[in-house]
Amino acid sequence: DAMVIQNPRYQVTQFGKPVTLSCSQTLNHNVMYWYQQKSSQAPKLLFHYYDKDFNNEADTPDNFQSRRPNTSFCFLDIRSPGLGDAAMYLCATGTGAKNIQYFGAGTRLSVL
Amino acid sequence: QKEVEQNSGPLSVPEGAIASLNCTYSDRGSQSFFWYRQYSGKSPELIMSIYSNGDKEDGRFTAQLNKASQYVSLLIRDSQPSDSATYLCAVMGEYQLIWGAGTKLIIKP
Repeated sequence: DAMVIQNPRYQVTQFGKPVTLSCSQTLNHNVMYWYQQKSSQAPKLLFHYYDKDFNNEADTPDNFQSRRPNTSFCFLDIRSPGLGDAAMYLCATGTGAKNIQYFGAGTRLSVL
Repeated sequence: QKEVEQNSGPLSVPEGAIASLNCTYSDRGSQSFFWYRQYSGKSPELIMSIYSNGDKEDGRFTAQLNKASQYVSLLIRDSQPSDSATYLCAVMGEYQLIWGAGTKLIIKP
């Protein structure tokens, strides 16, 4: 089945230790999104790619970076995680048509 | 600041009854509206999309859109315990989805 796959599902890191979250898709969608979601809050958009065009939200901390080496893969790098970065990180894809977004299962990040 | 507002709940509904979830939005120019279901610890799952005024039905789910009043609602008929989840309303802004914080729905057996 075509899908959006996030790895790992759970990630534990230490304060200040860099971490990379990955997302892959078999939907061949040209748009990919990274969201951060904390408990009982709405998803917060961090970045999105339209093909290779990278769009960084104005309030995304500099600590967060992203790479999209090809259509299928996208990475979220957190350079120096702080306790406040503990959250669920969601990857989503879309075609732009009808603005529908399809989510992966998410990565739960814990920072010790 | 474009906003989407939802009552956080919890909304408690007896099994078999109709659950009614509401959402208001501030951007009068929005054209695309979505309801996502999110179980605890899981990612959002698209339930309904609606683009024009009126009702759209899919199985037990009906989405209702009123652009003049800037609200969108979701009705769940014959509510089941498995419908217990947080329901997120999302509205397409200029280039990104604007999300509500969600309404927690509890279906009581």
